[in-house]
Amino acid sequence: DVKVTQSSRYLVKRTGEKVFLECVQDMDHENMFWYRQDPGLGLRLIYFSYDVKMKEKGDIPEGYSVSREKKERFSLILESASTNQTSMYLCASSLVVGENSNQPQHFGDGTRLSIL
Amino acid sequence: AQTVTQSQPEMSVQEAETVTLSCTYDTSESNYYLFWYKQPPSRQMILVIRQEAYKQQNATENRFSVNFQKAAKSFSLKISDSQLGDTAMYFCAFMKSSGGNYQLIWGAGTKLIIKP
Repeated sequence: DVKVTQSSRYLVKRTGEKVFLECVQDMDHENMFWYRQDPGLGLRLIYFSYDVKMKEKGDIPEGYSVSREKKERFSLILESASTNQTSMYLCASSLVVGENSNQPQHFGDGTRLSIL
Repeated sequence: AQTVTQSQPEMSVQEAETVTLSCTYDTSESNYYLFWYKQPPSRQMILVIRQEAYKQQNATENRFSVNFQKAAKSFSLKISDSQLGDTAMYFCAFMKSSGGNYQLIWGAGTKLIIKP
């Protein structure tokens, strides 16, 4: 089974802090994704990566950055946390697309981040 | 822009009943993929069922089946013989291509409660 592990289930930080959310997958997936999930809005894509050191902006990248130095690890960084970034953050991974573009995404348990 | 709409924010049914969750989407593409994901309370998001748009036959996975109406851009999920463990948020998602990389566009979700 694919395992996607997020470093924290719950995290509380203060406004202005630099926050790191870590995600590790163990199935050698090329693609990795960061979403935020808010009630009534579904999941919104922040950033994704299709290879080591590669990254692409999603729909809501403002205030975030990412790092993918190793294939199995994809980090989300809040450069200067603000209260409107309080949310549930989900990491996902999937096999490379193309002819197999219907490969599903596998998710971690999520990190519930509160910015005070 | 592609969008996914889930018009039912919340539904509840009695155990063993059949329930149908609706999903509509908007796209100009002819070939794409559709997914239903399930997120139980405080648990991981998991794939329920997927459908390729070029396949006319509706996908089925045990008690879960879809009614895919391509012309109407409708992709509903039917759960037969519902069980308490089916209580969850259900998300409909559409896979789009963006410069060769595939992303999921998500609906806002339907909260399904199965009552004993």
